Amino acid sequence: QVQLVESGGGVVQPGRALRLSCAASGFTFSAYGIHWIRQTPGGGLEWVAVLSNDGSNKYYADSVKGRFTISTDDSKNTLYLQMTNLRTEDTAMYYCAKEFNSPGNHWGQGTLVTVSA
Amino acid sequence: DVVMTQSPLSLSVALGQPASISCRSSHSLVYSDGNTYLNWFQQRPGQSPRRLIYKVSTRDPGVPDRFSGSGSGTDFTLKISRVEAEDVGVYYCMQGTHWTYTFGQGTKLEIK
Repeated sequence: QVQLVESGGGVVQPGRALRLSCAASGFTFSAYGIHWIRQTPGGGLEWVAVLSNDGSNKYYADSVKGRFTISTDDSKNTLYLQMTNLRTEDTAMYYCAKEFNSPGNHWGQGTLVTVSA
Repeated sequence: DVVMTQSPLSLSVALGQPASISCRSSHSLVYSDGNTYLNWFQQRPGQSPRRLIYKVSTRDPGVPDRFSGSGSGTDFTLKISRVEAEDVGVYYCMQGTHWTYTFGQGTKLEIK
C-alpha cells in the first residue's frame, strides 16, 4: 500500500540548515506531484512546496521562497526539502503528501523541526 | 494568495445531530479545466490530516456517507449528517486551484 515516511527533523539554531527526506513506496513515485506541508505549534496548516509529477515544476510558498529547495532522487523514491537560513517561525511538524486534486491523497506521519537558539 | 476563511472556528454538537462548516475563498476556485479544486480534511487528535473530500463533493474511499461537500465558486460547505464520537477533531478546507495552495484556519469539532 502507499506509504510516505518523513525523516530528518530535529532541533537546529536560527540561521542553520536542515534537510528533510520523504521516502515513498507503494506507487510510481515519478507519476505524482508530491507536496510538503507544515503544521505550526498553534495548529494551522501551511502548504510549503511541491514538485510536479514530471519533475519540471517546483512551486514554493512565499514564506520559504529562496530559502527552501525541493528535489527528488527517483532511484530511491525519495523527496527532499533542503531548508537553509532557518528562522524560529519555521518551527513546525513537516508532512509530505501525495496528490491533492485527484484520487489517492496520502500523508506521512510527519517529522518535527524546532528552530531555537 | 487566495485566503480561505472557515466558520465557525469551533463547533460543539450532540451525538447524532448534524454539523455544518462553511469555507469561503477570496477568489473563485474554478480552474481553467472547469474543475473546482476544493478539498476537505479531517485531523483527529495525534494523527496526520486525512482527506475526506476533493473537487468539492467527491468522497475519498472509506469516508462514511454521512460526510458531504457542496458549493461552487467561492462558497463551500462540509456537512456531517449525524455526528459520531469518532468525528471529533479539526476540519480544514484547502484550495488546490491557485498557486500557492492555501488552507483554512481549521474548525474544531467537539461532542456536546
